[in-house]
Amino acid sequence: EAGVTQSPRYAVLQEGQAVSFWCDPISGHDTLYWYQQPRDQGPQLLVYFRDEAVIDNSQLPSDRFSAVRPKGTNSTLKIQSAKQGDTATYLCASSPQGAGDTQYFGPGTRLLVL
Amino acid sequence: GQQVQQSPASLVLQEGENAELQCNFSSTATQLQWFYQSPGGSLVSLLSNPSGTKHTGRLTSTTVTKERRSSLHISSSQTTDSGTYLCATNTGNYKYVFGAGTRLKVIA
Repeated sequence: EAGVTQSPRYAVLQEGQAVSFWCDPISGHDTLYWYQQPRDQGPQLLVYFRDEAVIDNSQLPSDRFSAVRPKGTNSTLKIQSAKQGDTATYLCASSPQGAGDTQYFGPGTRLLVL
Repeated sequence: GQQVQQSPASLVLQEGENAELQCNFSSTATQLQWFYQSPGGSLVSLLSNPSGTKHTGRLTSTTVTKERRSSLHISSSQTTDSGTYLCATNTGNYKYVFGAGTRLKVIA
């Protein structure tokens, strides 16, 4: 069984540029999570979906960040105008129906904003 | 909201020594997991232990729910154990709150 895949693995931007991250969850997993992990900190939940619906995006900076999962499978996280404070690893995770306690993580995308 | 504190922040061991990692959380947790994060960044779940004691391989986790704390004991450490150990809790939904982690380095 393939794991959670993410792309790109690395991104380097100038402040003000836009970037998109892609996540392909494990096949059949209905719940998908996006986390932000700054250097030397634990992951912090940004948003999570069940199928195509956003369940909680209260920690997503809505002025510059957006996330979609239009068909309930793959997902895209976008930063419209990146800031240096967005430098972090962005992790995607998925879990099967009714088992949200068991989350499987992808390898992450490391973002550096100069 | 829920806060999770881990100690020590970092730890250096000689191969073969044991490690004791601590996790304290501010609110009663219905679920608690220990994760390992490799230097390359991937997270892997090690143990799910909301209460009591659980063993897997060289790992033992003890969670005392009333005292809102959990520990992870690694016996006979190996160089391949090097990495970051993260504690995460949730309070009845699917939203995990992570601690900052303990960075373990095991030297030969």
